[in-house]
Amino acid sequence: DIVMTQSPSSLAVSAGETVTINCKSSQSLLYSGNQKNYLAWYQQKPGQSPKLLIYWASTRQSGVPDRFIGSGSGTDFTLTISSVQAEDLAIYYCQQYYDTPYTFGAGTKLELK
Amino acid sequence: EVKLVESGGGLVQPGRSLKLSCAASGFSFNDYWMGWVRQAPGKGLEWIGEINQDSSTINYTPSLKDKFTISRDNAQNTLYLQMSKLGSEDTAIYYCASIIRGTFDYWGQGVMVTVSS
Repeated sequence: DIVMTQSPSSLAVSAGETVTINCKSSQSLLYSGNQKNYLAWYQQKPGQSPKLLIYWASTRQSGVPDRFIGSGSGTDFTLTISSVQAEDLAIYYCQQYYDTPYTFGAGTKLELK
Repeated sequence: EVKLVESGGGLVQPGRSLKLSCAASGFSFNDYWMGWVRQAPGKGLEWIGEINQDSSTINYTPSLKDKFTISRDNAQNTLYLQMSKLGSEDTAIYYCASIIRGTFDYWGQGVMVTVSS
């Protein structure tokens, strides 16, 4: 199985700050056939179901604000949230869909400072 | 509006079986892969498995392959998860979701399964 390692596990921020969440996979998620990285990011707010934010490592799902930016390639990926708002406080998960079983990272909890 | 509604959860004794359902509406169910994800209390997300449009391909996480069975009824727009030999480690919220490109695009609200005597 591909192991997804997220860091940090939690992050305390103030509104308006820019934050970076890291995700590292145990093997490359870049498929040479289409040059796409099979990496997604999800947001889960307290008491809610997860919500897809980003796929192909950097493509925002429809309706996701452009302050959410996904980047990276191969085994190292980043989710950047610029100008964090109170509504962004949640747990963020990365997921690889390169090979089954499609595994998730352990999550990064974004909290208010 | 896409809607996924899970049902069938509850309290079940260790060793018993339980079948979850997920009723889909608002999209063409038989055009999509579907899948299940679970989340133990206070823990992260665990991918259970997925099923393709005509049920000819079903993938599971290896540790659950012998306990869980995913199926679907396209005529009823319903996805199922049959769980057997349940243990305390299976206590979790179970989510169904539609799948595009391997990612879970739409999620249900989840259903709680508690395994306890």
